[in-house]
Amino acid sequence: RKEVEQDPGPFNVPEGATVAFNCTYSNSASQSFFWYRQDCRKEPKLLMSVYSSGNEDGRFTAQLNRASQYISLLIRDSKLSDSATYLCVVQGNTGFQKLVFGTGTRLLVSP
Amino acid sequence: DVKVTQSSRYLVKRTGEKVFLECVQDMDHENMFWYRQDPGLGLRLIYFSYDVKMKEKGDIPEGYSVSREKKERFSLILESASTNQTSMYLCASRPSVGKADGYTFGSGTRLTVV
Repeated sequence: RKEVEQDPGPFNVPEGATVAFNCTYSNSASQSFFWYRQDCRKEPKLLMSVYSSGNEDGRFTAQLNRASQYISLLIRDSKLSDSATYLCVVQGNTGFQKLVFGTGTRLLVSP
Repeated sequence: DVKVTQSSRYLVKRTGEKVFLECVQDMDHENMFWYRQDPGLGLRLIYFSYDVKMKEKGDIPEGYSVSREKKERFSLILESASTNQTSMYLCASRPSVGKADGYTFGSGTRLTVV
């Protein structure tokens, strides 16, 4: 079983739609959680950290459910520029706290 | 902003060549990482370094070595390049262990081994 699992998609949505991605992780001792965004042929960039109480950054909302070991990302009012791959990332509490990356969920927003 | 610079954007090398990929960061970060990214497999950790002259194997170190002689520079070495090492290579850095922030990545080196 992969440490971090995501639906690869693609998720095809029209502009203005609300879309949600989920991600599950296997290591219950994981301490920190992130969503990264990766555009085609570019490097991953931090989109937002995910906090236990849930957090929001503009149109983006991240949630963490430690009991069920999943993380979610909600994007409201999708824009064409949101088209990208979204990587779920988990940081452990051992081994120098390395990041473990999911394989990503691809989002395509169409006009 | 932290800047992580990788020396080459695209590289084509022949099988059996020794290949050096260079990465430099400008924010005095202690930790540096090398990943490769392949379709369907995501980012996989090759090696990381938590300080100068320190290195640790990641999940897929076979066929690679690294060098960290200065804090700002972390080099990935393919001792004898093979076609299965054709991939996107990404370098990343972060301030130190214990910092819960994510990493900053370089723009990547797309290596093709022919």
